[in-house]
Amino acid sequence: AQTVTQSQPEMSVQEAETVTLSCTYDTSESDYYLFWYKQPPSRQMILVIRQEAYKQQNATENRFSVNFQKAAKSFSLKISDSQLGDAAMYFCAYRSPRYGGSQGNLIFGKGTKLSVKP
Amino acid sequence: DSGVTQTPKHLITATGQRVTLRCSPRSGDLSVYWYQQSLDQGLQFLIQYYNGEERAKGNILERFSAQQFPDLHSELNLSSLELGDSALYFCASSVAGINTEAFFGQGTRLTVV
Repeated sequence: AQTVTQSQPEMSVQEAETVTLSCTYDTSESDYYLFWYKQPPSRQMILVIRQEAYKQQNATENRFSVNFQKAAKSFSLKISDSQLGDAAMYFCAYRSPRYGGSQGNLIFGKGTKLSVKP
Repeated sequence: DSGVTQTPKHLITATGQRVTLRCSPRSGDLSVYWYQQSLDQGLQFLIQYYNGEERAKGNILERFSAQQFPDLHSELNLSSLELGDSALYFCASSVAGINTEAFFGQGTRLTVV
């Protein structure tokens, strides 16, 4: 079964600085999808960025980018020019492309709580 | 706004009771997923429906059941509620469920007293 590990329960960053959140995963599959979701105090789960495993190029969405290391099974999220509104829980998630059993759904890490200091 | 609507937003009920959580997916989305978020277990996948049919099952208790109706809205039924069932229940939807993003509703906060 696939697992997702976020080893940093809490992180803190100064406004306008850069922070990197770590995520590792375990899978025997060669094709899959990885996601970062943000959960602010409003509880809404918001998709931040996605990465297809077959793509070598790291995904980027404005101030958010990932460092995808397939061999190392690592998928870190970098937030540049951090803003107060970035304060939230961040969840790393894995999705298998196949159906059946519990595959096809998202498997989440435990989350990293990010604080942004003004 | 993700386009996924969950009702109610908050629910307080007593142990042993039964409740129904409702989810309306984004327009055009055929897949609906239910997740449970609790402090000790984190975000856990419960069940998925695709176009009215159950497609995948996760860590869903036998006391819980779900269905997806012809208009694609879904309901999660929780019965014989226990204190440990208190959690945030999310519904998410996607177009096909394979290589597309899942968009989440705002969740239903269930408190069992």
